[in-house]
Amino acid sequence: DTEVTQTPKHLVMGMTNKKSLKCEQHMGHRAMYWYKQKAKKPPELMFVYSYEKLSINESVPSRFSPECPNSSLLNLHLHALQPEDSALYLCASSQLGLEETNEKLFFGSGTQLSVL
Amino acid sequence: KNEVEQSPQNLTAQEGEFITINCSYSVGISALHWLQQHPGGGIVSLFMLSSGKKKHGRLIATINIQEKHSSLHITASHPRDSAVYICAVRGIWETSGSRLTFGEGTQLTVNP
Repeated sequence: DTEVTQTPKHLVMGMTNKKSLKCEQHMGHRAMYWYKQKAKKPPELMFVYSYEKLSINESVPSRFSPECPNSSLLNLHLHALQPEDSALYLCASSQLGLEETNEKLFFGSGTQLSVL
Repeated sequence: KNEVEQSPQNLTAQEGEFITINCSYSVGISALHWLQQHPGGGIVSLFMLSSGKKKHGRLIATINIQEKHSSLHITASHPRDSAVYICAVRGIWETSGSRLTFGEGTQLTVNP
């Protein structure tokens, strides 16, 4: 299994809603990532978990809350989002932790989020 | 000036043509990634290079560290190759392997 699975594929939410994005991989990877991608722009790193611990938070607003319940799962909890948060949210994983600097990334298909 | 620049921004080709996408960067790097993104979002990692040349099927990636330049070649292009191709680098100053600097991407369209 060489897949990173993200659910849901599409999500529409209001600014007062609470929702969660889910990401799962069964490749035994120990590093997992959340990226945000606006249309026709490259991905922007949001968070990195290494060995189930949050290692990087790229100054992301607190309305985005990541969680790594175990080594296979990564969640992104969303609360009180703004319309400008509408974007494609991509999850990725890599085999080893941050000390391994030149690893291939495996990406999920993303969740297309629309905030109304 | 961006640290990673790709050219061309858009490329249209006929099926069967040989395609080259270029990536230039202005900083010292430890690795360069070529990524492919199809409409609908999913990103596939095609190559990771730190030197030389790699080949996978019809795809070839080369890097010249001294010239700070990489190319992605597609031989015998096919409409299914239509996608955005993204170059991303890890700078040698980065303490984390997960921080990549991305180019703006090249939109490739291959017509039948």
